[in-house]
Amino acid sequence: GEDVEQSLFLSVREGDSSVINCTYTDSSSTYLYWYKQEPGAGLQLLTYIFSNMDMKQDQRLTVLLNKKDKHLSLRIADTQTGDSAIYFCAEPYSSASKIIFGSGTRLSIRP
Amino acid sequence: EPEVTQTPSHQVTQMGQEVILRCVPISNHLYFYWYRQILGQKVEFLVSFYNNEISEKSEIFDDQFSVERPDGSNFTLKIRSTKLEDSAMYFCASRGQDGELFFGEGSRLTVL
Repeated sequence: GEDVEQSLFLSVREGDSSVINCTYTDSSSTYLYWYKQEPGAGLQLLTYIFSNMDMKQDQRLTVLLNKKDKHLSLRIADTQTGDSAIYFCAEPYSSASKIIFGSGTRLSIRP
Repeated sequence: EPEVTQTPSHQVTQMGQEVILRCVPISNHLYFYWYRQILGQKVEFLVSFYNNEISEKSEIFDDQFSVERPDGSNFTLKIRSTKLEDSAMYFCASRGQDGELFFGEGSRLTVL
C-alpha cells in the first residue's frame, strides 16, 4: 500500500549531525522529497532526489537513497538551533498524481 | 524564487457555510494539489489537478469538496457545507516538469 514511515522524534546536540530516516513503498517513484515545517509555517522544500541517484549534497544537507531497501535519509551537518522543525519526506505515487507525506520527524536541538 | 500564493491566510466560518480557498500556482507549472493538515497531524493529500481535470483524489475529498481553475491562473478549493472537522490548514502546491513541488503558506480554516 501507500505508506511513508518516519520516526517521530530526534534530539541532537547543537553542532552535531542530524540524520532523519524515511522508508517508502513505491519502487517506481521518480523522485523523493524532503520538506521542513517550522511552527505555524508552511512546507518549505529543502531538497529532492531523483531515483537514479544514490546521493545528493546541498551545502549542509546530504540525501542518501537506498533503492534496494526503499530507504531515504536526510543528514544535516553542524545542526543549529534554526534547524529545529518538523521534517517530512514525501513520495509520489501514480505518476506523481498523488504525493504522500510521512508523519514527520520533530527535530529538537539541545545546547 | 517563484512562489505559490494562497488567500485568505485565515478564515473563520460557521458550520454549514460554503468556503472558497484560493491559490495562485507558479505560472509555468501544470500540476496542482491541495493538502490538508489538522493541527499537529499529518499532511494529508486531498486532490490533484492536471489539464483542467482532477487526476486523483483521496477518500477525504468527498462530494462536499470541489476544485476549479476558473481563469487559467487561480486554483480554488470549495467546501460546500463546512463541518467542524474541516477545521485545518489547507495547503496548495504546484509542481513543474522537473519535479520540484512548491507549497503555499497555507490557509487556516476555523469552523465554529
